[in-house]
Amino acid sequence: DAKTTQPTSMDCAEGRAANLPCNHSTISGNEYVYWYRQIHSQGPQYIIHGLKNNETNEMASLIITEDRKSSTLILPHATLRDTAVYYCIVRVGTNAGGTSYGKLTFGQGTILTVHP
Amino acid sequence: SQTIHQWPATLVQPVGSPLSLECTVEGTSNPNLYWYRQAAGRGLQLLFYSVGIGQISSEVPQNLSASRPQDRQFILSSKKLLLSDSGFYLCAWSVDLFGPEAFFGQGTRLTVV
Repeated sequence: DAKTTQPTSMDCAEGRAANLPCNHSTISGNEYVYWYRQIHSQGPQYIIHGLKNNETNEMASLIITEDRKSSTLILPHATLRDTAVYYCIVRVGTNAGGTSYGKLTFGQGTILTVHP
Repeated sequence: SQTIHQWPATLVQPVGSPLSLECTVEGTSNPNLYWYRQAAGRGLQLLFYSVGIGQISSEVPQNLSASRPQDRQFILSSKKLLLSDSGFYLCAWSVDLFGPEAFFGQGTRLTVV
C-alpha cells in the first residue's frame, strides 16, 4: 500500500470548515483513498473513501486532485465533537484483486483540535 | 444491524501472566476479522487477520497469538505477557475481501505491570 503524509496537528474554530490535507504521491491506479478518525480512547471510525472523483456523505467531503497525488478531507462545519486523530489511508479497493484482505495500514494521522 | 463486541474494556495484568481477549461480531456472516494494537503515542499496528474459521495470518512477529474458533469469534492470547505488550488493542471486521471499510470495536486498554 502507498505511503501517506499528513500534518501532525491542526486547529479549527467551531463552526468553521476543517480542511485536512494528505499527500500520497506514490498512489497506484487501483488504490483508493480512505479516511478514518479516532476519538480519544475509542476505536477508529470510517468517514469516507474515494478513487478519483470527489465524494460527499453526511460526515464529510473528499477532494482528490486530478493527478491523485494528494487529497483533502473537508468537515464543512466543525464541532467540538470532531476533535480526533484523522487518518488518511491508501489501499487497494473493491475488485482490485490481490490479497489485501481489507487490511488498513494506519500512519500517525493528524490531530485535529476544534476550539470553541 | 451489525455490531462488534470486545471485552474487557480495561485490564491490568502482571508480567508473565496469560492473556485472553475476546471479540465477537453480530449481524453478519463470514466476516474478515482483525486485531490491531496501538502503543502509547503511536499509530495502529495490524497484528493478525483472519478470513475464516481456523485461518489466521500474522503480520508481525511477537509474543501474541490469535485464534478463530467460530465464524464470528476472534481471540487474542498470550502465554506470558511482557511489559512491551501494554497498549490499546482493537478488534475490527470487514464485510469481504475487498470491503471498502472496516468496523472497529471499542478497544481493550491493557497495562502490564
